[in-house]
Amino acid sequence: GQSLEQPSEVTAVEGAIVQINCTYQTSGFYGLSWYQQHDGGAPTFLSYNALDGLEETGRFSSFLSRSDSYGYLLLQELQMKDSASYFCAVEDNAGNMLTFGGGTRLMVKP
Amino acid sequence: DAGVIQSPRHEVTEMGQEVTLRCKPISGHNSLFWYRQTMMRGLELLIYFNNNVPIDDSGMPEDRFSAKMPNASFSTLKIQPSEPRDSAVYFCASQFFGGDTDTQYFGPGTRLTVL
Repeated sequence: GQSLEQPSEVTAVEGAIVQINCTYQTSGFYGLSWYQQHDGGAPTFLSYNALDGLEETGRFSSFLSRSDSYGYLLLQELQMKDSASYFCAVEDNAGNMLTFGGGTRLMVKP
Repeated sequence: DAGVIQSPRHEVTEMGQEVTLRCKPISGHNSLFWYRQTMMRGLELLIYFNNNVPIDDSGMPEDRFSAKMPNASFSTLKIQPSEPRDSAVYFCASQFFGGDTDTQYFGPGTRLTVL
């Protein structure tokens, strides 16, 4: 089975940097994805790591350490519109089946 | 592309009634997923299909739930009979499996309320 742990809530101010951690215990592992979900909306893909290291996409970066079963999402230059829930998700060895963490609710304050 | 299309967007029904949720995946995608999201249980995978074939339905809560994918452009999730505890947002997502990315594209969801 799979289990993922991430903080339930994080608060930060506009312009700051915030890191959302995710640890996982899985029977198989293929990659770690991050999704963003605004209230009332659908999850949307942010990033994906299959190999150790940092992946950068604009203001967002994602990191993976397979040996530590750990990853994080880094959001820089926070904006009010970044207030949302962020989910890490593990892809199992079958290649495309995702198990989602409980989500981290990020609140960005002025 | 219009993205993943789900209907209806909202459904209110009474306990015991049959509910059918519909999904049209993105054209060309070969994997389709049904998820359920609640405050208590988060985002749960119910079932997924590859090339219209159900691969894993271990997340389907009980026999009242069934899903079909008769062709590459249409899938249904049926609940019969529905119960109040089935109230949730149901998402359909599609993906091109075997490509360069592993992105799943989610539809807008169907908010189901069972009274």
